[in-house]
Amino acid sequence: DTGVSQDPRHKITKRGQNVTFRCDPISEHNRLYWYRQTLGQGPEFLTYFQNEAQLEKSRLLSDRFSAERPKGSFSTLEIQRTEQGDSAMYLCASSFRLAEHYEQFFGPGTRLTVL
Amino acid sequence: AQTVTQSQPEMSVQEAETVTLSCTYDTSESDYYLFWYKQPPSRQMILVIRQEAYKQQNATENRFSVNFQKAAKSFSLKISDSQLGDAAMYFCAYWNDDYKLSFGAGTTVTVRA
Repeated sequence: DTGVSQDPRHKITKRGQNVTFRCDPISEHNRLYWYRQTLGQGPEFLTYFQNEAQLEKSRLLSDRFSAERPKGSFSTLEIQRTEQGDSAMYLCASSFRLAEHYEQFFGPGTRLTVL
Repeated sequence: AQTVTQSQPEMSVQEAETVTLSCTYDTSESDYYLFWYKQPPSRQMILVIRQEAYKQQNATENRFSVNFQKAAKSFSLKISDSQLGDAAMYFCAYWNDDYKLSFGAGTTVTVRA
């Protein structure tokens, strides 16, 4: 297992377009998280899944954002009608609920640029 | 809500020297975890060191150690014998028994050869 992977690594889109990102967590991890990181800032929590259930959504996640994790495996994050303010790095992380140290393992991120 | 503050946007250190990064946090919880994550340029974030709040002993991982002051809500990271590969952005993060990490704004560490 090579860790958390994300696809694509970079996405450039025009304002108003829809984009979808994919995250593949470490295979035995049942928790999956999405964060957003703007330039020079720390990541901010967006949403969280335990298995296939989406258990929490941040107020940062407007109605234009939707996330899924079918069958508790990979996850997708879709942004509809993108705005320039959506430009950021979108990070995915996963963890194993019963792990002693609760470490979250991060993927390389998807950098979104909205023109 | 928990807040994490890193007051040093940038720190520079000479190779082989020591640098200390500051972090303070605000919480009403007694049981929680604190982490330092490293994010090299254009590379993914990796965990450097973790501290459980119920443990009084400061965590150490090779050249990395922390000074955890629970009453003061302070959690600093010391990098000893700095190496060029230590150059990165370092984030302090807080976690308790919910789900999300709360991150500080980060400190960029530059290592001078």
